Amino acid sequence: KAGVTQTPRYLIKTRGQQVTLSCSPISGHRSVSWYQQTPGQGLQFLFEYFSETQRNKGNFPGRFSGRQFSNSRSEMNVSTLELGDSALYLCASSPSLTDNEQFFGPGTRLTVL
Amino acid sequence: QKEVEQNSGPLSVPEGAIASLNCTYSDRVSQSFFWYRQYSGKSPELIMSIYSNGDKEDGRFTAQLNKASQYVSLLIRDSQPSDSATYLCAVIQGAQKLVFGQGTRLTINP
Repeated sequence: KAGVTQTPRYLIKTRGQQVTLSCSPISGHRSVSWYQQTPGQGLQFLFEYFSETQRNKGNFPGRFSGRQFSNSRSEMNVSTLELGDSALYLCASSPSLTDNEQFFGPGTRLTVL
Repeated sequence: QKEVEQNSGPLSVPEGAIASLNCTYSDRVSQSFFWYRQYSGKSPELIMSIYSNGDKEDGRFTAQLNKASQYVSLLIRDSQPSDSATYLCAVIQGAQKLVFGQGTRLTINP
């Protein structure tokens, strides 16, 4: 089975711009979660989607949003980028909401200048 | 108090020895616990999950869970240089949210 894929792998943006990141889960996995990883804060949960619905949300401002499509693929969007949004954004998939083993994609490295 | 706490290390262990990684968590009702390995510049890789008190063995890895003490650990036997990485403890808390510790950086010295 192919693993979780994320695009793009690297992205450079400037403050005030917006960005959209994409994630394709492992085939058959229906739950997709997004995380932000920074050296200072570690891995922090952003949100989780299942059946095209946001099921859980972490403590991030409304500038961070996401969605999930009927084929379980997911996108996250960050609007009005700030320097502090520079991070590795990771997507993880699991088979269902009750199967908690999550498998991570390679991540998107976002740099905000 | 942080929700999931790990000693950040670095933890240095000679090749062939046992590496012991520890993690404590704050939510007493947590039921699912995971260990991930993250190599520098890579994404986390799931290596163990544990749900019941006691030990769970998988090859050279043993996860140990003590819910009464809110403590989970990972033992790596016969440590190899390829085990050098950051090990992340993760716990399902609250509304099925996966919470990670800060990670312990492990170095295996040949």
